[in-house]
Amino acid sequence: GQNIDQPTEMTATEGAIVQINCTYQTSGFNGLFWYQQHAGEAPTFLSYNVLDGLEEKGRFSSFLSRSKGYSYLLLKELQMKDSASYLCAVLDSNYQLIWGAGTKLIIKP
Amino acid sequence: SAVISQKPSRDICQRGTSLTIQCQVDSQVTMMFWYRQQPGQSLTLIATANQGSEATYESGFVIDKFPISRPNLTFSTLTVSNMSPEDSSIYLCSVGVGQYYEQYFGPGTRLTVT
Repeated sequence: GQNIDQPTEMTATEGAIVQINCTYQTSGFNGLFWYQQHAGEAPTFLSYNVLDGLEEKGRFSSFLSRSKGYSYLLLKELQMKDSASYLCAVLDSNYQLIWGAGTKLIIKP
Repeated sequence: SAVISQKPSRDICQRGTSLTIQCQVDSQVTMMFWYRQQPGQSLTLIATANQGSEATYESGFVIDKFPISRPNLTFSTLTVSNMSPEDSSIYLCSVGVGQYYEQYFGPGTRLTVT
């Protein structure tokens, strides 16, 4: 079967750095997405990785290791507005998006 | 990217009735998707709706319960039929566009069935 694992919840302090991990087992791989979802709102696209390595976009970076079936989203200089759920999703061999359950990130002052 | 609107934004419906949710996109797109999201949970794909073909439903979802129309490249509807309280959820449409065919989501329809 297809499976994506993320921690259910994480807590971090404003101004700090947090890493949200995602491991996956899917039928094929055509890329991995990270989405941010604030409570009561729709998910918004953050990043896409298809090759191994780190992609940096401002305060957010996303890393991929295809051989390990592993990705992480790194958030730097945390702000209160970063409190949200972060969803990992993998595009499988049929170009179907397989979604993780999401990680709820709580930022404390 | 794409700008997507949904109507209604929320509704409270009685058991046994039906509700049609509309999804409008500001540009022509081939791939549209309908999802359901229970509070605090991740997204569950209901069906993929490509213009010019019948919608493709995921396991556990059937056309009689969730009929979908896709009359053109900017519009789609999802009907939740013969509703029960278990259908209470947020329903989201999305489109696959962009450099990586990333999905962009509408604001969602919050449905409560009493």
